Order: sequence, then structure tokens, then C-alpha cells
Amino acid sequence: DIQVTQSPSSLSASVGDRVTITCRASQSISTNLNWYEQKPGKAPKLLIYDASSLQSRVPSRFSGSGSGRDFTLTISSLQPEDCATYYCQQSHTTPYSFGQGTKLEIK
Amino acid sequence: QVQLQESGPGLVRPSETLSLTCAVSGLSISSGYYWGWIRQPPGKGLEWIASIYYSGSTYYNPSLKSRVTISSDMSRNQFSLDLSSMTAADTAVYYCARHTSGWGFDFWGQGSQVTVSS
Repeated sequence: DIQVTQSPSSLSASVGDRVTITCRASQSISTNLNWYEQKPGKAPKLLIYDASSLQSRVPSRFSGSGSGRDFTLTISSLQPEDCATYYCQQSHTTPYSFGQGTKLEIK
Repeated sequence: QVQLQESGPGLVRPSETLSLTCAVSGLSISSGYYWGWIRQPPGKGLEWIASIYYSGSTYYNPSLKSRVTISSDMSRNQFSLDLSSMTAADTAVYYCARHTSGWGFDFWGQGSQVTVSS
């Protein structure tokens, strides 16, 4: 099974900051890596698919990069509404697996 | 707009079987795509359970495979999950979602809270 390790587990940043979250897969997964945002009591929302493709209606301050084993989610200018938990997920091989999550707080 | 809605019992007794249904609107489940189930225990992360392709092919998480059955009913445009031998460790919010091969889960239901307790 492919494991995905996400870091950091939590972070605090100020409005306007550039924020980066990383995800490492236990083996190469090409670009089959997706990113989600989850707010309390809500279903996850797909932000980025195929490592770097922006899902429809997602603000352009979100971007993704990487291939192989190492991936990054970047928020270019943090907004108050970005307070949430972020998950990466590999869709290369079943069983699909998610990272442990990164809880992002606004200072 | 594609919409998914889970339904099922909120409370299940230990050792019983959980049955959940996901009703899909805005798109026929026979038109393509994979349809899956993901769960999230309280305060924890996400776990993929199973998916079914529109052709009927099924895919299971090996950690749950012995207890899980996923199926679809195209006449009702819905798909279902059965999870047997429930224990407290199965207490979670259960989500249904659509996905494509290699890409992410792009449409989700609102989630169904399932508690296992006697």
C-alpha cells in the first residue's frame, strides 16, 4: 500500500502570508496527487487534482506542484476564510490513501 | 449540478451490519465515473473504504474488504455500502463521493454520522 506523509501537522500564519504544505508518498505516484480543504462539520472540498490542476471555482491563490514522491500545496496570500484542515490524497493505486491532515490557523 | 445525499441509520448496535445509501442527482451513475465511500472517525483523518465503477467493477480497501460490500442500483440512480460486524471503531462520519481514475473526489455528500453503541 502507498503511504502519504503530510507536514506540518499544524501551522499558524497571518493574513497575507504565503503558506506551504508538503506531502510525500512512500513510492512514486506520478502526478496522481490531490489536495482537499475541510472546514469543521463539512465535507472535504477538492482544491487541486493531478498535482497541479486547479479545480473549478477554486481561488487562484491556491496552487499545487510536484511529481513522483514529493508534492506541495501553496496558498500565495492567506485569507481569513482559509482557516481549515488540508489533506493530500494519492489516487495512483488502490487502496487510495490520505495524508494525516494539516490544521491551518490564522494568527 | 451533481449532488449526492447519504441516508442510513444514525445508530448501529455492535456486531450488526451498517447499510448506507447514496442518492445521486444531476447525473446518471451509469454515465461513467467511479462512486465511492470515505469515512472519518471523530477528530481523525479520512479513510477510503470502497468504490464502484459505472460498469460494476468494485474496489475495496484491504483493511475492510472482508466486511464491506459496495453495490449500485442504476434504476434508482444510487449506490450503497454494507459494513458488517460493526464495532465502536467503526463510529465515524461516512461520506459518499464521485471520482475519476487517477483524479480526486470532486463531488461529495454532506456526510452521515454513524455511531456504534448498544
